[in-house]
Amino acid sequence: DSGVTQTPKHLITATGQRVTLRCSPRSGDLSVYWYQQSLDQGLQFLIQYYNGEERAKGNILERFSAQQFPDLHSELNLSSLELGDSALYFCASSSYRGGTEAFFGQGTRLTVV
Amino acid sequence: ILNVEQSPQSLHVQEGDSTNFTCSFPSSNFYALHWYRWETAKSPEALFVMTLNGDEKKKGRISATLNTKEGYSYLYIKGSQPEDSATYLCAFNNGNQFYFGTGTSLTVIP
Repeated sequence: DSGVTQTPKHLITATGQRVTLRCSPRSGDLSVYWYQQSLDQGLQFLIQYYNGEERAKGNILERFSAQQFPDLHSELNLSSLELGDSALYFCASSSYRGGTEAFFGQGTRLTVV
Repeated sequence: ILNVEQSPQSLHVQEGDSTNFTCSFPSSNFYALHWYRWETAKSPEALFVMTLNGDEKKKGRISATLNTKEGYSYLYIKGSQPEDSATYLCAFNNGNQFYFGTGTSLTVIP
């Protein structure tokens, strides 16, 4: 158990809908990262938050947004979903911006039908 | 665009064989290099964090080396076992965020 909790584990939704993925980092970790893993793709970095502030942005679509709350949990919002958004979404946390290892949650499997 | 490349993309070895794979990363703005082990249906699990040029880390039969000046790291597995079958990811860390390679998929055949 990495200490990073992601909910839900599985999500099936229709095209055009909006979903929210939730991540609770390890206790004391200030950084949260979101990654997407599509079929046959590696881990694609989406966005990073550090202590409530957006720190870095990767290949995140405009239809996607995220935030980190005062209690340090983070939510990834995916809207106007398309079939191609079906993927495994991982959240990871680390104690500093990038200086220590990142611990991954179990992921949320999103299926858009 | 920051490229982190891993080779080979996949590898099949016989049980008992030793093997190694490569991670190539930018030699500038280096902060740390991370290796992760990623089993199917599980989340990536940290193996090593390497920060200094010339670093060598070892955990059981798995070891890693780091060359920050030329921008590469090797991961070695000695005497591969079927339970070593997984995808091995490296991640370049510039002190601000992680950049992951696409991984090397290892299959150890009993």
